[in-house]
Amino acid sequence: GQQLNQSPQSMFIQEGEDVSMNCTSSSIFNTWLWYKQDPGEGPVLLIALYKAGELTSNGRLTAQFGITRKDSFLNISASIPSDVGIYFCAGGSGNTGKLIFGQGTTLQVKP
Amino acid sequence: NAGVTQTPKFRILKIGQSMTLQCTQDMNHNYMYWYRQDPGMGLKLIYYSVGAGITDKGEVPNGYNVSRSTTEDFPLRLELAAPSQTSVYFCASSHRDRSLYYGYTFGSGTRLTVV
Repeated sequence: GQQLNQSPQSMFIQEGEDVSMNCTSSSIFNTWLWYKQDPGEGPVLLIALYKAGELTSNGRLTAQFGITRKDSFLNISASIPSDVGIYFCAGGSGNTGKLIFGQGTTLQVKP
Repeated sequence: NAGVTQTPKFRILKIGQSMTLQCTQDMNHNYMYWYRQDPGMGLKLIYYSVGAGITDKGEVPNGYNVSRSTTEDFPLRLELAAPSQTSVYFCASSHRDRSLYYGYTFGSGTRLTVV
């Protein structure tokens, strides 16, 4: 079946640093989404991308939909302690709205 | 707007017991999903539904059943609980606007332990 490879698996950074994570797949997706999960909560949508090559920002977050439609990246600029959590990429295709999720990137920020 | 509500938040089951995880949404979304989350494994799709009366298997359906009698509710049933079903379960819903599928809205999860 379809799989997403998300990297890195975990990151431990200093407050103020920029962060970059990415997802790759052997399959083509029509939609790429990025979610953040806080401890004990469900994932929350950060950014949605619907077109190949699309670059979208949400505050300090920037994400891109790869030209090949097989990859996406998420950048976080000037990280702050509340950025701590697990970040998931997700790809969607077909008519059912189903999403395939990456394994997640755990981000820790040292004040 | 409550969004997606899941109950219970926590549950401990004995091997062989049954239970139903409840999920309800008040956003009039057609699409609903059940995922399980295991440490380091991301989210795996168990079952999904594209509308009332329609359900289909996801990636890991064995040991589970679902029903969708109304747009709002999408309960997940575990019939004979096994330790391998220890996990955190998330329900989600989404909608479609022409050709765009919008991202899921997730519930806050049910943490299930089978002992």
